[in-house]
Amino acid sequence: KQEVTQIPAALSVPEGENLVLNCSFTDSAIYNLQWFRQDPGKGLTSLLLIQSSQREQTSGRLNASLDKSSGRSTLYIAASQPGDSATYLCAVFKAAGNKLTFGGGTRVLVKP
Amino acid sequence: KAGVTQTPRYLIKTRGQQVTLSCSPISGHRSVSWYQQTPGQGLQFLFEYFSETQRNKGNFPGRFSGRQFSNSRSEMNVSTLELGDSALYLCASSLGPLTSGGQETQYFGPGTRLLVL
Repeated sequence: KQEVTQIPAALSVPEGENLVLNCSFTDSAIYNLQWFRQDPGKGLTSLLLIQSSQREQTSGRLNASLDKSSGRSTLYIAASQPGDSATYLCAVFKAAGNKLTFGGGTRVLVKP
Repeated sequence: KAGVTQTPRYLIKTRGQQVTLSCSPISGHRSVSWYQQTPGQGLQFLFEYFSETQRNKGNFPGRFSGRQFSNSRSEMNVSTLELGDSALYLCASSLGPLTSGGQETQYFGPGTRLLVL
């Protein structure tokens, strides 16, 4: 059974500091891994999708890496801003089950 | 292009009642998936519909059911509501089915928050 873990559950940083969010998964046989952002009471916004054959993806200040062999992904957010405050979730997609399995999320607060 | 829409946004029901939630996917998207989000269990997959057929189902009791119409709009029904069904229900749409090798990006709606009293 695929398990996805995100540690820490919550993180608080001052504005301007780089954010590093971690995601680990138990089964490396994945098709892809996605990072999402969720604002309070809202739906999810897809940030980055990394295919299993890729090592990283970048979009603006966001960079996500994937190491399938160790079952880890890291989301880097450079020069954090108060608007980056949200919950960040990672999810893996496996052929077995054909569904996304989500981690519990990391709640981020960027203080001005 | 309009995003995924869900109605209603908020709902209050009592135990034993049933509820129907609606999801309209992005125009042209034919796959709709449903998820339940609770503080204790996090985000869990309920089921996926593609071309009016349920393609995949998560580990939820039979009280949870759904359907998809020819215009790709989807409804989810929960019968005999329990307190533990209180959650944010999210739907997500994608162009193709999730079985297509993980190539599909899912776009999520804002969710329906259900409170069962």
